[in-house]
Amino acid sequence: GESVGLHLPTLSVQEGDNSIINCAYSNSASDYFIWYKQESGKGPQFIIDIRSNMDKRQGQRVTVLLNKTVKHLSLQIAATQPGDSAVYFCAEMKGSRNTNAGKSTFGDGTTLTVKP
Amino acid sequence: SQTIHQWPATLVQPVGSPLSLECTVEGTSNPNLYWYRQAAGRGLQLLFYSVGIGQISSEVPQNLSASRPQDRQFILSSKKLLLSDSGFYLCAWRAGGNTGELFFGEGSRLTVL
Repeated sequence: GESVGLHLPTLSVQEGDNSIINCAYSNSASDYFIWYKQESGKGPQFIIDIRSNMDKRQGQRVTVLLNKTVKHLSLQIAATQPGDSAVYFCAEMKGSRNTNAGKSTFGDGTTLTVKP
Repeated sequence: SQTIHQWPATLVQPVGSPLSLECTVEGTSNPNLYWYRQAAGRGLQLLFYSVGIGQISSEVPQNLSASRPQDRQFILSSKKLLLSDSGFYLCAWRAGGNTGELFFGEGSRLTVL
């Protein structure tokens, strides 16, 4: 079956530095790759997604890179702030809301700690 | 705007007792609805999803069941809880359109003793 995994369970960075969180996936047929942020005791929050036909997508202070050759996904956070401390999950989705019911498969998460 | 409500936020139940977690979505119609479970320090495991009223699909065999009595209401239940049912349960919905985004509720932390 499909799997999504993160390379490192924890990442510690200095405030102001850039953070890079990595993820590997196995399902070549995925249509979307998504990054979520989860703060302690809360539900995950959507950060950014990227369609499988794209290589890069930028948001506010975040960039997602997709390398389909090696099935690798990364989330880059620029000028990391203490408020960025959380668990980050990558997820993949095949199909859309109306095909395959829009189901998503999640990785185990990377805990990002930002040191002041 | 769309919102999702999930309750209760926390509950402690004895083994063998029943369970009912409720989730409602506002501000949208005919959403796809999902129940996920998250074990401590782990990712999210999809338990059930629903594409419409009365339509439930189960992803993994388990001691739980789900129901969708109304368009924007999704319920997770059990007749007799097991210790292994402990976890953080998350309800989510998905809108249409070209996006991978799921909208999650705040979660329900279940401890079975």
